[in-house]
Amino acid sequence: AQKVTQTQTSISVMEKTTVTMDCVYETQDSSYFLFWYKQTASGEIVFLIRQDSYKKENATVGHYSLNFQKPKSSIGLIITATQIEDSAVYFCAMSNMGYKLTFGTGTSLLVDP
Amino acid sequence: DMKVTQMPRYLIKRMGENVLLECGQDMSHETMYWYRQDPGLGLQLIYISYDVDSNSEGDIPKGYRVSRKKREHFSLILDSAKTNQTSVYFCASSLSKGHEQYFGPGTRLTVL
Repeated sequence: AQKVTQTQTSISVMEKTTVTMDCVYETQDSSYFLFWYKQTASGEIVFLIRQDSYKKENATVGHYSLNFQKPKSSIGLIITATQIEDSAVYFCAMSNMGYKLTFGTGTSLLVDP
Repeated sequence: DMKVTQMPRYLIKRMGENVLLECGQDMSHETMYWYRQDPGLGLQLIYISYDVDSNSEGDIPKGYRVSRKKREHFSLILDSAKTNQTSVYFCASSLSKGHEQYFGPGTRLTVL
């Protein structure tokens, strides 16, 4: 069975700084996909970025990037130059080659002006 | 612009009434999902649809059924709604297995 753990329940940072959110996962599968989503205060769930387990390069999309450490089963999300509107709950998720996503419990990010 | 839509956004029903939640997507995605989200429980998978008329139970299917007659449209039906089905319901779609899911804006259902 798969498991995704986010130990940071909440983080507070100043605007324009860099923040890293941690996520560790457990799986018996050799191939899998890792995702980060954010849920805004309005409830909207937005897909941010994905990492395929067979890729060594860390994925980057806009001001989001990943720190993929496969030997540690870790997939950290890095947000650079944070903005007020980055305040949200961030979920890590994984999928093996199937259809279901296993979600972490989320990390609440507050970006202060 | 890739989009998943949900109707209605807010719904109040009485216990025992039937509920129809509708979801649409414009990405020709094969796979669609229904989740519910409750405080402290995260997203729980209700049903998966692999394509038209090809549906599978998720983790909490009891009390729900689904219908998918067109690839772009997926409905969640609650026959005789119960108060414990009060929740926020999210629809999602993905290209196929292993791909990222795109979520709709959610429907907040209250069953009195």
